[in-house]
Amino acid sequence: AQRVTQPEKLLSVFKGAPVELKCNYSYSGSPELFWYVQYSRQRLQLLLRHISRESIKGFTADLNKGETSFHLKKPFAQEEDSAMYYCALMDSTLTFGKGTMLLVSP
Amino acid sequence: DTEVTQTPKHLVMGMTNKKSLKCEQHMGHRAMYWYKQKAKKPPELMFVYSYEKLSINESVPSRFSPECPNSSLLNLHLHALQPEDSALYLCASSNRAANEKLFFGSGTQLSVL
Repeated sequence: AQRVTQPEKLLSVFKGAPVELKCNYSYSGSPELFWYVQYSRQRLQLLLRHISRESIKGFTADLNKGETSFHLKKPFAQEEDSAMYYCALMDSTLTFGKGTMLLVSP
Repeated sequence: DTEVTQTPKHLVMGMTNKKSLKCEQHMGHRAMYWYKQKAKKPPELMFVYSYEKLSINESVPSRFSPECPNSSLLNLHLHALQPEDSALYLCASSNRAANEKLFFGSGTQLSVL
């Protein structure tokens, strides 16, 4: 069975500090992994996916198959990054982790 | 149009009421989904429709009844709900490929009294 683990419920940083939101997965096969973000009072939206190897809003995430991780990183956090972040794994359905709330203080 | 539209945005209903949630997309997506999200929890999958046929039912109680009248519309019929069913109900759609991203609606906030 596939599983996604986000160990931190809350991550609080100051503006300009580096951010790493952790995600580990268990899956027997080649995973398709995503990060979704939910800003306050906005709809859940895709932030990035591992197959694109892109950087969105300064965020990147690298799939590490050896460590079964897909951590989300940003070198300098901004206040507008404050949101709930969900790591998700796609097989026939999309399975979400429990989410990490990121709070960026001025 | 790259949006998934859900109506109503808010719904309050009694345990004996019958109501329906509606979802619409015009992106040509052939997979549509219903998720349930409790406060400060991740979305939980309820149903998946693929090419207008129900492909996944995650053991959802029969008081929730999905319907896909055509490729653009998805309904969720509600009957005899319980207070614990109060949640945000999210609709999503995607192209039918395993690694395609989901587009989410803004949800219907349901309160069952």
